[in-house]
Amino acid sequence: DAGVIQSPRHEVTEMGQEVTLRCKPISGHNSLFWYRQTMMRGLELLIYFNNNVPIDDSGMPEDRFSAKMPNASFSTLKIQPSEPRDSAVYFCASSLLESGANVLTFGAGSRLTVL
Amino acid sequence: QKEVEQDPGPLSVPEGAIVSLNCTYSNSAFQYFMWYRQYSRKGPELLMYTYSSGNKEDGRFTAQVDKSSKYISLFIRDSQPSDSATYLCARVVSGNTPLVFGKGTRLSVIA
Repeated sequence: DAGVIQSPRHEVTEMGQEVTLRCKPISGHNSLFWYRQTMMRGLELLIYFNNNVPIDDSGMPEDRFSAKMPNASFSTLKIQPSEPRDSAVYFCASSLLESGANVLTFGAGSRLTVL
Repeated sequence: QKEVEQDPGPLSVPEGAIVSLNCTYSNSAFQYFMWYRQYSRKGPELLMYTYSSGNKEDGRFTAQVDKSSKYISLFIRDSQPSDSATYLCARVVSGNTPLVFGKGTRLSVIA
């Protein structure tokens, strides 16, 4: 398996522009998570999906952020309009929720810089 | 107060040293504790996890949970330069809830 695939790996944009980050989870996994990592705040959960359904989006910082999972193999995180404080590394992770520990597999991340 | 507290370091040790990385947590409902390792400019990867109090060993790595004091530790024996990374502790309440991470401790093992 190729693992969790994220694109783009790097994105530099100007304030006010729309940013779309993409994620392909591991085939067969039924849960998908979006995290944001900064030096100040560490790794923070933004939103997660179970079987393509959003379960908890309380970590989404503002209405400027939205996430979708139209099918089991694709998810997007959109920021519109982007602001400099959105600069961070955004990680997508997936897992197979059965029983026991929820082991997440992370993608390589998308590094976003908003000028 | 963040649910999982972790000393950010950085921690620098000589090759071959025993490393102790620690986290404290505040919610007694936590069931699982995990350690993830993150190399520079990479995503976190699972190192090991433990469910109950006590120790779990995997090669040079030992995870220890002390639920009475709400303290979790990761020990690395015979540390190697390849162990240089950020180590993140995480907790989960039950199998279908997401992980909450500490901020991570940056470790450098000097040859």
